[in-house]
Amino acid sequence: DAGVIQSPRHEVTEMGQEVTLRCKPISGHDYLFWYRQTMMRGLELLIYFNNNVPIDDSGMPEDRFSAKMPNASFSTLKIQPSEPRDSAVYFCASSFWKGAETQYFGPGTRLLVL
Amino acid sequence: GNSVTQMEGPVTLSEEAFLTINCTYTATGYPSLFWYVQYPGEGLQLLLKATKADDKGSNKGFEATYRKETTSFHLEKGSVQVSDSAVYFCALSLNDYKLSFGAGTTVTVRA
Repeated sequence: DAGVIQSPRHEVTEMGQEVTLRCKPISGHDYLFWYRQTMMRGLELLIYFNNNVPIDDSGMPEDRFSAKMPNASFSTLKIQPSEPRDSAVYFCASSFWKGAETQYFGPGTRLLVL
Repeated sequence: GNSVTQMEGPVTLSEEAFLTINCTYTATGYPSLFWYVQYPGEGLQLLLKATKADDKGSNKGFEATYRKETTSFHLEKGSVQVSDSAVYFCALSLNDYKLSFGAGTTVTVRA
């Protein structure tokens, strides 16, 4: 299996623009997680899905952030409008079980908002 | 709340040196403890884990022992290699899926 695939790997945008991050989980995995990594706050769980349904979005920072999972093989994390403080590395992870140790992480998307 | 504190880096070592990365935790229950490793340009990978007090996790020559009395889970390796250069994260989980991570420690091993 190719592992968790994220795109783009790097994104540079200007404040106020819409940003869409994409994730393809490992086939057969029922759980999908979005994390954000910053120097100030470390790694934070933003939201997770089970069978394409959002289960816990308590980590989503504000209304500018939204996540969807239209099918089992694709998820998006959207920021609209983007702000410089959104600059971070965003990781997607998937697992066949919700247990923490079974999460497989993608390589991340490095976002820079100018 | 639940939190993880790990030693700040960066840590620079010579090949075959001994590596220790300290990790302590605060939790309201009895967490499972993990060490993840992030190689350059890649996502996080589970390195080892321990689910109860006095358990020892081990993998790829790395070890960590769950110490409830000192709320610690220090990572050790007796002889590091250049290929061990990475960022190491200590983490805990109380409810199976939600991981609380430390800030990460960057380790560089020189040949």
